[in-house]
Order: sequence, then C-alpha cells, then structure tokens
Amino acid sequence: GENVEQHPSTLSVQEGDSAVIKCTYSDSASNYFPWYKQELGKRPQLIIDIRSNVGEKKDQRIAVTLNKTAKHFSLHITETQPEDSAVYFCAAKGGGNKLTFGTGTQLKVEL
Amino acid sequence: DSGVTQTPKHLITATGQRVTLRCSPRSGDLSVYWYQQSLDQGLQFLIQYYNGEERAKGNILERFSAQQFPDLHSELNLSSLELGDSALYFCASSLAQGAQGNTIYFGEGSWLTVV
Repeated sequence: GENVEQHPSTLSVQEGDSAVIKCTYSDSASNYFPWYKQELGKRPQLIIDIRSNVGEKKDQRIAVTLNKTAKHFSLHITETQPEDSAVYFCAAKGGGNKLTFGTGTQLKVEL
Repeated sequence: DSGVTQTPKHLITATGQRVTLRCSPRSGDLSVYWYQQSLDQGLQFLIQYYNGEERAKGNILERFSAQQFPDLHSELNLSSLELGDSALYFCASSLAQGAQGNTIYFGEGSWLTVV
C-alpha cells in the first residue's frame, strides 16, 4: 500500500519568513496530493491540492510543487503569519482509492 | 462548515462497552471515509464506503465495523472498547469514490474517551 513520509515533524520560523514542508510517497500510481491544515482540536481543512499532471500550483502565499519522478511533493508558505501556526498534513491518493496521510508537521510561527 | 455532520461530538464510555458514531456526508457526496486520530498522532485511515459499498479498508480493528446506508449516512461501530481506543474519530466525504482530484471534506469529529 501507499506510504507517505513527511518532514520535518516540527518547524519553527520567524514571522515573515518562509516555511517548507516536504513529503515523499511510495505508490507511483498516486495521482492526487492535497495538503490539510489542522488547528488543535479542529477538523483538517484543505488548503491546497495538486494533481499528477501539474508540477506546481500557487494560491496567494501558499504553493505546492510535485516531482513525479522522485515521488516527492512540497508545501511552501511565504511571508508566514502567526495564524499559520498549526499542524500541516500532506496526503496522497493512490490506485487503491484511499487517501494516505503523512505524519504531520507542527508549524510554529514566532513573533 | 464543511457540510459533513458527525454525532455525537463528545462521548465518554467505559471499557468493554460499544458505541456508534454517526456521519452525514455533504449533500451529493457518495463516498464516506472514517479516520482515527489519537493524541499527538496522525490521521489513520480506517475504511471507505461508496454508495453503500465498502471500497477501501485501512488499519481497522476487527472490533470495529462500519456501514453506509441507502440515504448515504454512515455509522462506525466500536465494540469491546479499550483505553487505547480513546481518540478523535473523523468522518469525511467526497463526491466520487476515487476519481482524480475529488476533494475530501472532513467533519468536526467525534471525541471518544474510554475510561
């Protein structure tokens, strides 16, 4: 089955700096890669996603890149703000229909 | 509000007991997914249903079972509960069973505490 690895597990940045979270996946048939943001005790919320026929997607301060050959994808947050502090999960949907999540990255944006 | 409704929001029960968690997907969504999230843990996929039929199975214990009804709502049954079953259980839904790019929306979750 699909295996998704996510790094780092914790990330601390200064307000205004950029943050990068990286994920790798194992199933070459995976074709959909969403990123979710989860605040403490709340539901995961989709912040951006990318399909396998696209290499990069951007939405304001958030961007995701996908390298199908290397089977890795990354989340980039620019000009970080305190409200960006949360746990971020990457995920990959493979041929087996299920969405497999990474282990999460605790992002802390410090003033 | 994602449109996915889960009940109950909180539940406290004793070891050995059985509970049922209920989920109503977003209007029009045919797929329902169940995930378990323990304290400081990631999202563990349990099971997926599409239009009433099981489509994918993850790390779901034999003590757990689920089903999706004709009206598309789903129930997750947890029996012979153990302390380690204490977790936040999320239901999620999407339009199609596995088509590329179908967004999965999560409910607010059901907090289960086993004492």
